Amino acid sequence: EVQLVESGGGLVQPGRSLKLSCLASGFTFSNYGMNWIRQAPGKGLEWVASISSSSSYIYYADTVKGRFTISRDNAKNTLYLQMTSLRSEDTALYYCARLEGYWGQGVMVTVSS
Amino acid sequence: DIQMTQSPSFLSASVGERVTLSCRASQNINKYLDWYQQKLGEAPKLLIYNTNNLHTGIPSRFSGSGSGTDYTLTISSLQPEDVATYFCLQRNSWPYTFGAGTKLELK
Repeated sequence: EVQLVESGGGLVQPGRSLKLSCLASGFTFSNYGMNWIRQAPGKGLEWVASISSSSSYIYYADTVKGRFTISRDNAKNTLYLQMTSLRSEDTALYYCARLEGYWGQGVMVTVSS
Repeated sequence: DIQMTQSPSFLSASVGERVTLSCRASQNINKYLDWYQQKLGEAPKLLIYNTNNLHTGIPSRFSGSGSGTDYTLTISSLQPEDVATYFCLQRNSWPYTFGAGTKLELK
């Protein structure tokens, strides 16, 4: 069974950093591109970043480019999102997703002083 | 960037009714269009991928169609468990973009 489990969320002050992790199981992680997608409270879905299976290709939404870094460790079956210079508008539920139909339950990030 | 416009934003329909949701892209997305269902408090669930392919385990009352810039999700006979918000996602080019969603309620 495919499972994606996010961790690392929490309350953080504006301007600070936070690193999210997503532990994958139930499939060969190194064969698939992965994504981070977020959803602000009561709002729609926003694609944040994608990374190819071997990390050769990486893409970001303009809203996070230069502040967020997506990465992966295929030996640890783990996807990461390093978030820096956080803003209040980054407050959201962050999902790790394999867009063939597999999403985690999400991890909440709240940016507030 | 490709903009995705969903319509309507809200839809109220009766059990058993045929329901049609629309998604329009600002440019041709070559059928790289997925549909998601999100119920309150849950992660989105993939219903349809690449315009008209039913994801594993999804009931056959859901179907998708379209080409170019215009795409449609159809529920052939609305069931109570279909109450949810539905999002479209274009994967033709980065940045990937979602529609704003259609909230479907029972009449």
